[in-house]
Amino acid sequence: GAVVSQHPSRVICKSGTSVKIECRSLDFQATTMFWYRQFPKQSLMLMATSNEGSKATYEQGVEKDKFLINHASLTLSTLTVTSAHPEDSSFYICSARSGLAQETQYFGPGTRLLVL
Amino acid sequence: RKEVEQDPGPFNVPEGATVAFNCTYSNSASQSFFWYRQDCRKEPKLLMSVYSSGNEDGRFTAQLNRASQYISLLIRDSKLSDSATYLCVVGLLTGGFKTIFGAGTRLFVKA
Repeated sequence: GAVVSQHPSRVICKSGTSVKIECRSLDFQATTMFWYRQFPKQSLMLMATSNEGSKATYEQGVEKDKFLINHASLTLSTLTVTSAHPEDSSFYICSARSGLAQETQYFGPGTRLLVL
Repeated sequence: RKEVEQDPGPFNVPEGATVAFNCTYSNSASQSFFWYRQDCRKEPKLLMSVYSSGNEDGRFTAQLNRASQYISLLIRDSKLSDSATYLCVVGLLTGGFKTIFGAGTRLFVKA
């Protein structure tokens, strides 16, 4: 199946710093990428949807100025958590969908963020 | 009301048991339905899509009832390796396609 990678897999940072997470589709072109957040023992919560070359669509309650999303190419999307705080500590997962398989999403392995 | 609701679990079953998970969704415009499996501290992986006619993949059978807005997953002859969280997922078009995840049901299969 299709492969999606995320980098880094784990990051620990100090409060107030910004963290960038990369999501890459390795063997297909992702017209749409999704960013999710998952707190312990909870389900994935969709944060935003990004389409290549256009602005991301954020879900209600997600601050677009805090979670900056860039989908500059068909294989790369980045999520930057700006001025991270301890409450931003979570498991961030991206997924990608190709234009050829409208409904199939391929998930990245996730990034664990711990803000001290 | 949550958009996708699942049995909270956990389900603790012995090896070889049959176990069923239920899921309901609130948006009647939902178009596609899936079951995902998520192991601890890992990303979700697609288990199977769910079709109105029902579909089976080995020991797994999924059913969809659009009238009742209800989805089910049946696992027969449970294996230890089936222990995981099972996520009910609904896809819908709302100015773009997006998927809504249920909170998941934890399954523990014991020897």
